[in-house]
Amino acid sequence: DSGVTQTPKHLITATGQRVTLRCSPRSGDLSVYWYQQSLDQGLQFLIQYYNGEERAKGNILERFSAQQFPDLHSELNLSSLELGDSALYFCASSPHSGTGEGYTFGSGTRLTVV
Amino acid sequence: LAKTTQPISMDSYEGQEVNITCSHNNIATNDYITWYQQFPSQGPRFIIQGYKTKVTNEVASLFIPADRKSSTLSLPRVSLSDTAVYYCLVMMNSGYSTLTFGKGTMLLVSP
Repeated sequence: DSGVTQTPKHLITATGQRVTLRCSPRSGDLSVYWYQQSLDQGLQFLIQYYNGEERAKGNILERFSAQQFPDLHSELNLSSLELGDSALYFCASSPHSGTGEGYTFGSGTRLTVV
Repeated sequence: LAKTTQPISMDSYEGQEVNITCSHNNIATNDYITWYQQFPSQGPRFIIQGYKTKVTNEVASLFIPADRKSSTLSLPRVSLSDTAVYYCLVMMNSGYSTLTFGKGTMLLVSP
């Protein structure tokens, strides 16, 4: 157990639908990062939050959004889902922002869009 | 952002030492070199980080030459459970950097 909790572990949904992925960071970590991993694109950074505020944005589609709540958990919202959104979505947390050593990843949410 | 180049795949046998080299020719002065390991369907896991010379922990060693344009991750006496993808990352150890993953090196350890 890495200390980063992601729910649900698996999600199957239809095209056009909307889903919410949840992440609870490791205790004491202020930064949360979301990554998408698909077979053809590898691990892609989507977005980072630090203590409730958006800190950095990567290759995140406009159909996707995220937020970090006062208790530091984070949610990634994916809407108007397409088949190509099927992927593993990882959340990671770190104590601060940007120290490579301190990232801890969760076990991921496997999203299948049918 | 420094680009990294590492072999796509490597094969080894149990008990051997494995060295994975990563090139990062345009590494900046403030950049650190970090390696992560990822097993199938699991999130990446931090292995080791260094700035220069040699760093060793209970899992691996990291060798960085003086010019810092490359680095070598050394895994002593690998076992089947070391079969994974290994990522080399270069990043500033500061407040506005995020981990950017490349394709990584798929290490396959055979009996």
